[in-house]
Order: sequence, then structure tokens, then C-alpha cells
Amino acid sequence: DAGVTQSPTHLIKTRGQQVTLRCSPKSGHDTVSWYQQALGQGPQFIFQYYEEEERQRGNFPDRFSGHQFPNYSSELNVNALLLGDSALYLCASSITGTAGGYTFGSGTRLTVV
Amino acid sequence: AQKVTQAQTEISVVEKEDVTLDCVYETRDTTYYLFWYKQPPSGELVFLIRRNSFDEQNEISGRYSWNFQKSTSSFNFTITASQVVDSAVYFCALSTNGGSQGNLIFGKGTKLSVKP
Repeated sequence: DAGVTQSPTHLIKTRGQQVTLRCSPKSGHDTVSWYQQALGQGPQFIFQYYEEEERQRGNFPDRFSGHQFPNYSSELNVNALLLGDSALYLCASSITGTAGGYTFGSGTRLTVV
Repeated sequence: AQKVTQAQTEISVVEKEDVTLDCVYETRDTTYYLFWYKQPPSGELVFLIRRNSFDEQNEISGRYSWNFQKSTSSFNFTITASQVVDSAVYFCALSTNGGSQGNLIFGKGTKLSVKP
């Protein structure tokens, strides 16, 4: 049973560019959350998608946007990249309405130069 | 405000020693969930345990044990007879939206190094 799959694994972008990160949730999971983890810090919640809509959002600017597809997979888009956006981006999936908890992927390491 | 504090940034022990990782949380909600995750160098967050605020029973799972005390807002994690494979960053997290929805609030993590 595949867990959460994220792509790409690593990415290098230039300031001002745009980036799209992808996440496939664990089989049977319908909810996807995205987290940003800066070096040496704990993950910070960006937003959560359920039924193809953003259900909850953390304290991140509008440059961060997302999407959830009918097959529950999700994308995270970041526009106008800043050096400070360099981080590990983690995707977590879960089943809304259950106590099953969250399953995390291995993340995408984004470096902005 | 909701907050998780892991005061220990790094801990280094020798194999077979016992080690306790501290976690203190803040929330005004009466219903909440507490989590511990392990993050090896590969980056994936590995789920270890989830407790809800109504269950203060301590739990033991193999070499791992957890001490949840609402009176001190603490949820500490002990590894008995540590092994080199336990080396990782450990995160404590809090959720007030339920166990599978809403956001997790993480501490800054404790890096555990177990030396042979």
C-alpha cells in the first residue's frame, strides 16, 4: 500500500520564479495538508484541502496557493519566489471524520537562489 | 494562543541509555490531540503516537513510553535502552481541530543522537 508520494524530490529555482509541487495521498485518504519546514524548525501549516476546496489556511501570503483534484491529489503553487521560501515542503494526507491521524510524505526540498 | 515548546534542542546519549524528550503545550481548548513524530534524515515524518485530552493514561509501546500530564501541560516521551537507529529529530505537535483534520502545531523539535 503506497503511502504519500511527493514530486519532485528536490528543486532549485531562481528568485521571482514560480513553482508547482505535487502530492498523491495515501490510498483511501481524502484530505491533503501542506506544511513548510525551514531548516532547523518544526513544520508550519500552509493550508488544507478537502472536497477540492481550501478548508483551512495558515499564516502564509497569497503567493501560496493550491489545488485538489477529483482523485484527491493536490498541488502547491508558489509565485514570485523569495529566498526565504527555501524549505522542505511536506504533504500530509488523512481521512476527514476519522481518528486515523495524518500520514506524511518525504517532502520536496526547494532551494531558491 | 496555541503553542508547543520543546526546550531541548539537541540531546546526545550513548547506546543503551534511557532518554526523555520534553514537550510542553499551551491551549485554551478543552478538547485537543497531542502527537509525537520522528523525522529521520530522509525527511518523512513518522507517526509515533496520538493522545486526546481526555485520556491521561500513560502508554508504553516496546521501548517507547509517553507521560501525559494535563496539570503541567506536558506530554513527555521516553526511549528506554536507546539504539543508534533512534537517532533522528523528534517533534511534538498539537491539534485542536480533531485527529485527522485541521492543522498540526509543531514544536521546533529535539535532535537525538545515539552513539554506539
